[in-house]
Amino acid sequence: QKEVEQNSGPLSVPEGAIASLNCTYSDRGSQSFFWYRQYSGKSPELIMSIYSNGDKEDGRFTAQLNKASQYVSLLIRDSQPSDSATYLCAVNNWNFNKFYFGSGTKLNVKP
Amino acid sequence: EPEVTQTPSHQVTQMGQEVILRCVPISNHLYFYWYRQILGQKVEFLVSFYNNEISEKSEIFDDQFSVERPDGSNFTLKIRSTKLEDSAMYFCASGEGQNYGYTFGSGTRLTVV
Repeated sequence: QKEVEQNSGPLSVPEGAIASLNCTYSDRGSQSFFWYRQYSGKSPELIMSIYSNGDKEDGRFTAQLNKASQYVSLLIRDSQPSDSATYLCAVNNWNFNKFYFGSGTKLNVKP
Repeated sequence: EPEVTQTPSHQVTQMGQEVILRCVPISNHLYFYWYRQILGQKVEFLVSFYNNEISEKSEIFDDQFSVERPDGSNFTLKIRSTKLEDSAMYFCASGEGQNYGYTFGSGTRLTVV
């Protein structure tokens, strides 16, 4: 069983649209959830964290968490071509010693 | 902004040789990690390190791997006898606490030939 699952994409959206990225996880003991952005050939960059059910907004980004459904999502409003990257969902394990990463969703924002 | 520094950026080594990958975590961080990413694949956990000892290690982190924090600032990953399948991007990361996101270094691309 995969710990964290993401649709690999690519997800293509036009510039200015909302991009919606989804992630499911298997460990009900997970407490912390993160979204990282990874440009090709570069390291993951933390963009959002969420710990409680509901929505968390930071600029153009909104993270959503539903622990009952074991589901995390990331919305990117007013998508820009510079948002084109692979988005990695990361979930901590039950004892907080590591993250499980999803395989990432590749986002293409077309001008 | 504070960053995690990794050296070298690229290392080419012959199969069977030992390599040491070096990292300087962010200075006030207490938790340190090594992850790797084989080209086109997901980021995989190798090992976590806190209070001068390993907190957890993955199945990948076998006896060929070791980590050390020799001088309070550097954090190293040693692979004793490299195999072709060790070729990957190795990322060091550090964090303030276990429940926080952590910062990744820019990575060392290891190529075993």
